[in-house]
Amino acid sequence: QSVLTQPPSVSGAPGQRVTISCTGSSSNIGAGFDVHWYQQFPGTAPKLLIYGNSYRPSGVPDRFSGSKSGTSASLAITGLQAEDEADYYCQSYDGSLTGSIFGGGTKLTVL
Amino acid sequence: QVQLVQSGSELTKPGASVKVSCAASGSTFTAYAINWVRQAPGQGPEWLGWINTKTGNPTYAQGFTGRFVFSLDTSVSTTYLHISSLKAEDTAMYYCARPRYCSGGSCSPAMSVWGQGTTVTVSS
Repeated sequence: QSVLTQPPSVSGAPGQRVTISCTGSSSNIGAGFDVHWYQQFPGTAPKLLIYGNSYRPSGVPDRFSGSKSGTSASLAITGLQAEDEADYYCQSYDGSLTGSIFGGGTKLTVL
Repeated sequence: QVQLVQSGSELTKPGASVKVSCAASGSTFTAYAINWVRQAPGQGPEWLGWINTKTGNPTYAQGFTGRFVFSLDTSVSTTYLHISSLKAEDTAMYYCARPRYCSGGSCSPAMSVWGQGTTVTVSS
């Protein structure tokens, strides 16, 4: 059972906008710790997609955006493309556990 | 170009030990830390802890003390994960990953460079 809760799956048609939520608690996201997002394709390592809640590393399209409010965070993907079909994970820091924590992941299906 | 290259797959028996290596290139090895993360089949990543590559000081996540040991050899820019008394539930892909930045002895939890992963299978 992951400390950060994500929906197991989301889907959308090409061109649409989808959002993936990441719900934490007062000891992690709600305590002000940053949220980071990763994209993972089958058989490959996770790739950093969003860091510091809303910043994109160089090379990540601006179709990907992140936000945080209270004890939750969201990843939004606009102009959905077939190549976006992957697993997405959120990550934060937990002050009680004194370490990094990950969400259980969300599988994005492009219809 | 910063790269982390890990050792090959391991197939081991319960009770045995395994050592996974992670060799860094393309950056100053001691300027960053190395995180260890594992991912069981069909599950999300799980953070095992990190090692300060300048001091060699390891930090272990809760639940990963004792059987999991991080070490390093700065002469070959390599970090190691040693797991002892292996259990079937340790079967997973193990990754090393570098923080996006480190400053003043602390590092960002965000991991911007990942190794390719090492599959560890524990089966009798």
